[in-house]
Amino acid sequence: DGGITQSPKYLFRKEGQNVTLSCEQNLNHDAMYWYRQDPGQGLRLIYYSQIVNDFQKGDIAEGYSVSREKKESFPLTVTSAQKNPTAFYLCASRKGLVSGGELFFGEGSRLTVL
Amino acid sequence: DQQVKQNSPSLSVQEGRISILNCDYTNSMFDYFLWYKKYPAEGPTFLISISSIKDKNEDGRFTVFLNKSAKHLSLHIVPSQPGDSAVYFCAAIYAGGTSYGKLTFGQGTILTVHP
Repeated sequence: DGGITQSPKYLFRKEGQNVTLSCEQNLNHDAMYWYRQDPGQGLRLIYYSQIVNDFQKGDIAEGYSVSREKKESFPLTVTSAQKNPTAFYLCASRKGLVSGGELFFGEGSRLTVL
Repeated sequence: DQQVKQNSPSLSVQEGRISILNCDYTNSMFDYFLWYKKYPAEGPTFLISISSIKDKNEDGRFTVFLNKSAKHLSLHIVPSQPGDSAVYFCAAIYAGGTSYGKLTFGQGTILTVHP
């Protein structure tokens, strides 16, 4: 079955450490996205990529980095520069050029900084 | 600047009754709207959408209404079931822009349906 796989589901890290969250999709979707969810704040866009080897900053990109070397993969690195990294992170994908098409989401990764 | 707002953080409804979730937006360029449902520790799942050229879209127990002049949309769930208890997000997109696919989400409304 096609879908989006995020790993790990739960991750703990010490302050000052970088951590990378994985996102893989086999939907043949062009566009991929990373969102962060905090209580009472909805979903906020971190980074998005419309094609391979290209990505754009979202609304809260500071302290994060991404890469898009393959169509299927869009890993997110939470760096030590991110001031408040404890959150629920969601990866999503979309067909791309279809106007108004829906986003498909992974199951999320919960990052806790100790 | 919150372009999509869900002003009710929570809603409690009795099983069998109607649930009405509201969403307001400020950007008149938005031309496509979606509702997502999210259970704890899971990713959101798509529920229903509506294009700005329509004022109503229905899918089973779920109906979305769009009032463009008021920049307001609502999701009606009839009849409500305990399994509908979740967080509901509305989202909007300007499909004609260069940032296609970049959805703007509301803060979410927690719906609780009591048996």
